[in-house]
Amino acid sequence: DTVLTQSPALAVSPGERVSISCRASEGVNSYMHWYQQKPGQQPKLLIYKVSSLASRVPARFSGSGSGTDFTLTIDPVEADDTATYFCQQSWNDWTFGGGTKLELK
Amino acid sequence: EVQLKESGPGLVQPSQTLSLTCTVSGFSLTDYSVHWVRQPPGKGLEWMGVMWSGGNTAYNSALKSRLSISRDTSKSQVFLKMNSLQTEDTAIYYCNRDEIMGSFDYWGQGVMVTVSS
Repeated sequence: DTVLTQSPALAVSPGERVSISCRASEGVNSYMHWYQQKPGQQPKLLIYKVSSLASRVPARFSGSGSGTDFTLTIDPVEADDTATYFCQQSWNDWTFGGGTKLELK
Repeated sequence: EVQLKESGPGLVQPSQTLSLTCTVSGFSLTDYSVHWVRQPPGKGLEWMGVMWSGGNTAYNSALKSRLSISRDTSKSQVFLKMNSLQTEDTAIYYCNRDEIMGSFDYWGQGVMVTVSS
């Protein structure tokens, strides 16, 4: 299985830029996607295919990376961005990262 | 409008079989693949399996021996059956739609399943 590793948590101030990383145990080509999940809600697709913005997602969100290292960037961060962010690969079956909980200072 | 909705029992006894239904609207099961993903309380997401638009299936190797996914295209429904349930199968179970390159653009609200006697 392709294991995706994320940092457990980050804390930033509103208006700042934050980068959330995801490292894959093997290359996933461009089959990397990002989701936002707020408490009590289902995940929401933010970014697909590394850097493509999903429908109705603000341009403050962006994605980058290649091979095994990928990044979700939020710039600027807003209070409503408090959530857990998951990366997901679909190159080798489907697996998710453990999630990064973003808190605002 | 695209919608997916999971339904099924909220409580299942250990060793019993879980049966869930995902009812979709706004798209055809012959045009899009539907996946099942679960999330134990307070934990991460685990992919379980997929019903391909062509009718074939694929499963997470860790669950393959216990899991079966089927569909009824006339009713726009996808079914999940998993046997030999244990307490660690307690989770929210989601169905979702496979859009571009295996990303999930629409998710159901999820159904909480508790395995307990």
